[in-house]
Amino acid sequence: EPEVTQTPSHQVTQMGQEVILRCVPISNHLYFYWYRQILGQKVEFLVSFYNNEISEKSEIFDDQFSVERPDGSNFTLKIRSTKLEDSAMYFCASRAFVQFFGPGTRLTVL
Amino acid sequence: KQEVTQIPAALSVPEGENLVLNCSFTDSAIYNLQWFRQDPGKGLTSLLLIQSSQREQTSGRLNASLDKSSGRSTLYIAASQPGDSATYLCAVNDQGGKLIFGQGTELSVKP
Repeated sequence: EPEVTQTPSHQVTQMGQEVILRCVPISNHLYFYWYRQILGQKVEFLVSFYNNEISEKSEIFDDQFSVERPDGSNFTLKIRSTKLEDSAMYFCASRAFVQFFGPGTRLTVL
Repeated sequence: KQEVTQIPAALSVPEGENLVLNCSFTDSAIYNLQWFRQDPGKGLTSLLLIQSSQREQTSGRLNASLDKSSGRSTLYIAASQPGDSATYLCAVNDQGGKLIFGQGTELSVKP
């Protein structure tokens, strides 16, 4: 069964460093999403992406964040200068009709 | 702004009991509603999706209902098992496609 994959499963970084989280969506899906879940809190929408551009973004998705689909299969989330409060689980999702979620990347900012 | 609330926050039941998880949302202009399961430290597994025009969906021991006009959905789990222990998340899909999640109900089924 097709699935969304994410790498790495766990990323530890120092505050101020750049991180790139990677996702491989399901191959025939056209809509892609990033969500995050801070420990003990709700899953929050970050950004949606369609036709090689951002279709919607939340207030959380400020200038420190960017997304890219560099090669037609990967979908990446970049955080330019990480803060302590960026520590969270980051989920990628893709959909044709129903959203399918990846297993997540746990980002720890020290 | 759409807000999704789930009650109760946590629930502990003995094995074999039937149970109901509740979800409410403030804006009835939704495209669909999904119920997810999340195991500790893991991703989200979609359980059921109900279109805004539907009243309920069933999958095995799970039944989800939707009353869009009142902004409510319930997830009914029949004959609960210890393997059902997880956090159950309700999420509404707005017209733009993004999901807006509730905070979840943490379910523990005791053998």
